[in-house]
Amino acid sequence: DVVLTQTPPTLSATIGQSVSISCRSSQSLLHSNGNTYLNWLLQRPGQPPQLLIYLVSRLESGVPNRFSGSGSGTDFTLKISGVEAEDLGVYYCVQSTHAPYTFGAGTKLELK
Amino acid sequence: EVQLVETGGGLVQPGKSLKLTCATSGFTFSTAWMHWVRQSPDKRLEWIARIKDKSNNYATDYVESVKGRFTISRDDSKSSVYLQMNSLKEEDTATYYCTTWTRWGQGVMVTVSS
Repeated sequence: DVVLTQTPPTLSATIGQSVSISCRSSQSLLHSNGNTYLNWLLQRPGQPPQLLIYLVSRLESGVPNRFSGSGSGTDFTLKISGVEAEDLGVYYCVQSTHAPYTFGAGTKLELK
Repeated sequence: EVQLVETGGGLVQPGKSLKLTCATSGFTFSTAWMHWVRQSPDKRLEWIARIKDKSNNYATDYVESVKGRFTISRDDSKSSVYLQMNSLKEEDTATYYCTTWTRWGQGVMVTVSS
């Protein structure tokens, strides 16, 4: 199974600070059809996860453009350019290139 | 408005069965690939099962830990997806979500305990 390693496990930020989260895969997430099925999710306290980024870098409808995704192959990054209070929660990367689909362990974003 | 509503959770003894239902509305269910994902008490997310649409022959796939015990199915006429869970184990205790990745339900809790 594909293992996704997320770092850091916890991130402390001030409002307005830019932060990045890394997600490294144990194998390439490039599908034979040319797509890379790597998504980023945010789970706020008491809420289900919500999709932020899909196909590595595509912003889900309604998601603020301070969120951006990048990467290829086995190395991916989520960047938040200017953290806002509503961004607090746990961020997960998830791959759906290789079944069984797998999640990273999560990165908790806290206020400093 | 897009809605996914999971029902059927509860407290069940080890070895027993439970069937979860996810009723959806507000999007074209018949062409959506549907997934079940669970979140254990330690907050880890685990993908459990996926069912494709009719054009992909309703193909299913499962994580190894539930193969042979869980069955995902769908009824396009009711815009619903199901998860039949048999031979439940204490480690199946979790909140279960149905999702298309883009859309998520609120989740339903399943507790397996004697």
